[in-house]
Amino acid sequence: DIQLTQSPSFLSASVGDRVTITCRASQGVSSYLAWYQQKPGKAPKLLIFAASTLQSGVPSRFSGSGSGTEFTLTISSLQPEDFATYYCQQLNSYPLTFGGGTKVEIK
Amino acid sequence: QVQLVESGGGVVQPGRSLRLSCTASGFTLSPYGMHWVRQAPGKGLEWVTFIWYNGTNKYADSVKGRFTISRDNSKNTLYLQMNSLRAEDTAIYYCARGAGSSAAVFDFWGQGTLVTVSS
Repeated sequence: DIQLTQSPSFLSASVGDRVTITCRASQGVSSYLAWYQQKPGKAPKLLIFAASTLQSGVPSRFSGSGSGTEFTLTISSLQPEDFATYYCQQLNSYPLTFGGGTKVEIK
Repeated sequence: QVQLVESGGGVVQPGRSLRLSCTASGFTLSPYGMHWVRQAPGKGLEWVTFIWYNGTNKYADSVKGRFTISRDNSKNTLYLQMNSLRAEDTAIYYCARGAGSSAAVFDFWGQGTLVTVSS
């Protein structure tokens, strides 16, 4: 199984900050990686797929990059509605796996 | 608009069975691969199972042999039959639509249904 390790697991930031979350895969997944946002009590929401393609309707302050084993999700200017937990997911092979999550909280 | 609504969750004793349903609206289920993903209380996301439009399926090792995914395209509904339930199966169960050529990206999710396995 492919293990995904996210860092940091917790992040405290202020509105307007630039935030970067890293996801490392235990083996190469090419660009078969997605990012999701989950708010408390809600289902996850797809933000990015194919490592860097923004899902329709997602604000352009979100961006993704990387390939192989190292990926990043960047929020260019953190907004109040962005405080949530973020998960990466690999779709290179089954079983599909998720990272452990990064919780972004208000500083 | 696309909507997925899960039902069938509840409290069940260890070793017993439960069947979850996920009814789709706003799109036709038949051409899509569909997944179940679960989340234990306070924990991260865990992929559970997948079914392709033709019935081909895949399972996580943790549920293989105990859970069965199925679909009724005429009812636009996805199912998850869960047998021999264990305490570690306690979680919110989400159905999710598969997107992309591999149907392995989850582009729409239901609101989830809570399954609690406890004596």
